[in-house]
Amino acid sequence: KQEVTQIPAALSVPEGENLVLNCSFTDSAIYNLQWFRQDPGKGLTSLLLIQSSQREQTSGRLNASLDKSSGRSTLYIAASQPGDSATYLCAVRLTNAGKSTFGDGTTLTVKP
Amino acid sequence: SQTIHQWPATLVQPVGSPLSLECTVEGTSNPNLYWYRQAAGRGLQLLFYSVGIGQISSEVPQNLSASRPQDRQFILSSKKLLLSDSGFYLCAWSVTFRGPYNEQFFGPGTRLTVL
Repeated sequence: KQEVTQIPAALSVPEGENLVLNCSFTDSAIYNLQWFRQDPGKGLTSLLLIQSSQREQTSGRLNASLDKSSGRSTLYIAASQPGDSATYLCAVRLTNAGKSTFGDGTTLTVKP
Repeated sequence: SQTIHQWPATLVQPVGSPLSLECTVEGTSNPNLYWYRQAAGRGLQLLFYSVGIGQISSEVPQNLSASRPQDRQFILSSKKLLLSDSGFYLCAWSVTFRGPYNEQFFGPGTRLTVL
């Protein structure tokens, strides 16, 4: 059974700081890994999707990496802003049409 | 472009009452559809997923059921709600044969409170 862990559960940083969020998974035979952002009381917004054959994806100030052999992914946020404050979740999919397993998320607070 | 709708946005129901939550997707065909539940401060728990009309896979034994009467419609139901059914219910969709590979997109969610 795939298990996904996100550490830390909460993170508070001053504005402008670069930061890294971590996601680890137990079964390395993944199909893809997806990072999401969730604002309070809202649905999930897709940030980045990394296919199993890729090592990283970038979008603006966000960079996600994937190391299947060690069962880890990181989400790097450069020059953090108060608007980045949200909960960030990672989800791992094992097969093309199957289910994803989610971590419990990291709640990020960026202080002005 | 594709959009996903969920309704109602919020719902307060007494214990033992029935439930029907609806999710519809626009702008795509033959999507994979998913129902998730999110308890307060926790990650998402997959409840059901469907790869086609009438094809439902259940992930968690419970008093909930799902149906897919049309290609882009996914319904979550219960005959009698329990207090433990309270939570934030999210519908999601993905497609299999178009890049990015199987990216999931989520609806706005339904906040269910069972009293």
